[in-house]
Amino acid sequence: DTGVSQDPRHKITKRGQNVTFRCDPISEHNRLYWYRQTLGQGPEFLTYFQNEAQLEKSRLLSDRFSAERPKGSFSTLEIQRTEQGDSAMYLCASSFLAEGETQYFGPGTRLLVL
Amino acid sequence: AQSVTQLDSQVPVFEEAPVELRCNYSSSVSVYLFWYVQYPNQGLQLLLKYLSGSTLVESINGFEAEFNKSQTSFHLRKPSVHISDTAEYFCAVSLANDMRFGAGTRLTVKP
Repeated sequence: DTGVSQDPRHKITKRGQNVTFRCDPISEHNRLYWYRQTLGQGPEFLTYFQNEAQLEKSRLLSDRFSAERPKGSFSTLEIQRTEQGDSAMYLCASSFLAEGETQYFGPGTRLLVL
Repeated sequence: AQSVTQLDSQVPVFEEAPVELRCNYSSSVSVYLFWYVQYPNQGLQLLLKYLSGSTLVESINGFEAEFNKSQTSFHLRKPSVHISDTAEYFCAVSLANDMRFGAGTRLTVKP
């Protein structure tokens, strides 16, 4: 299967702990996106990469959030000092470099902060 | 910035009945429009998209959507639904790779 993969699929952590999620995009895709989805809502954009460059960050992305895509392949999203409000599904998507290109989503990482 | 409104949060229908999930968008320039489907505990899957050309687009599983520029709508329809169509459906609008999603419509197909 050559789709987008995310690891872990589920994460339970205590408030104040740091967590890191990984996303492996479809290998030919230049662009990689991170979204957050809370219950009953659509995905909200967090940030995106074009190759290894992080081109845009939402104001939803506080200083506790950091994302990297060091070699233009996989990406990591780290949340430091987690808060209960960080509990959500974190989705990764990838696409080709062109306007209107379909974004292909991974299965998501569900985070629960206790 | 572009935005999307999905007018119904929940749509219950009986199996084999027709269904329409409504989506309106707001943008001052031309955009690309998408419908995604999300099954429980899964990521989003593309159902269909409108980029240009024919205003009626179809998916492989019987769904279709019509782009209506004058009404700024992109409603999703299916003439006869199946139990397996039960899922969350998201309308999205994209401009320069900035994709905005609606809040979703929960379609529940009852036997």
